[in-house]
Amino acid sequence: RKEVEQDPGPFNVPEGATVAFNCTYSNSASQSFFWYRQDCRKEPKLLMSVYSSGNEDGRFTAQLNRASQYISLLIRDSKLSDSATYLCVASSASKIIFGSGTRLSIRP
Amino acid sequence: DAMVIQNPRYQVTQFGKPVTLSCSQTLNHNVMYWYQQKSSQAPKLLFHYYDKDFNNEADTPDNFQSRRPNTSFCFLDIRSPGLGDAAMYLCATSKRAGGALETQYFGPGTRLLVL
Repeated sequence: RKEVEQDPGPFNVPEGATVAFNCTYSNSASQSFFWYRQDCRKEPKLLMSVYSSGNEDGRFTAQLNRASQYISLLIRDSKLSDSATYLCVASSASKIIFGSGTRLSIRP
Repeated sequence: DAMVIQNPRYQVTQFGKPVTLSCSQTLNHNVMYWYQQKSSQAPKLLFHYYDKDFNNEADTPDNFQSRRPNTSFCFLDIRSPGLGDAAMYLCATSKRAGGALETQYFGPGTRLLVL
């Protein structure tokens, strides 16, 4: 079983739609959680950190459920420019583990 | 104003010919990482340095070595590249404060091709 699991997708949704991704992690010692965005053939870039209380940044909302060990990302009013792979990350004091990513494609 | 710089961006080498990839940072972060990423896969951590302390992942092949001569620079040496080592190699940095590893900042990557 992978330490961080994501649905690989692809999610293919129309512009303006709301889309949600989930990610589960197996290491209960994980302390910090992040969502990264990776465009084709580019490096991962931090989208947002995920806090226990949930946090929002514009159209993006992240939630953490420690009891069930999952993290979610919600994108509202999706734009064409949101098309990318979204990587979930769980880190402890000694390890950072990436999920394999969920591919999102926004169509006009 | 680049913060994590990787050179070269593209590297072509021959099967078995040693190659070195370099990474430098202007963030003064104490942790530096090397990842290998193949197409449609997650970045795979090879090793990381916490200051001068080297931490090798258990499944990183011996063929991969690293050096960190100072805070700013870190090198990835591939002693005898095989065809299976063709990948994107990503360098990242972060601060480590207390018990937590903070946000990572990635360089643009070096794409390695092995002929």
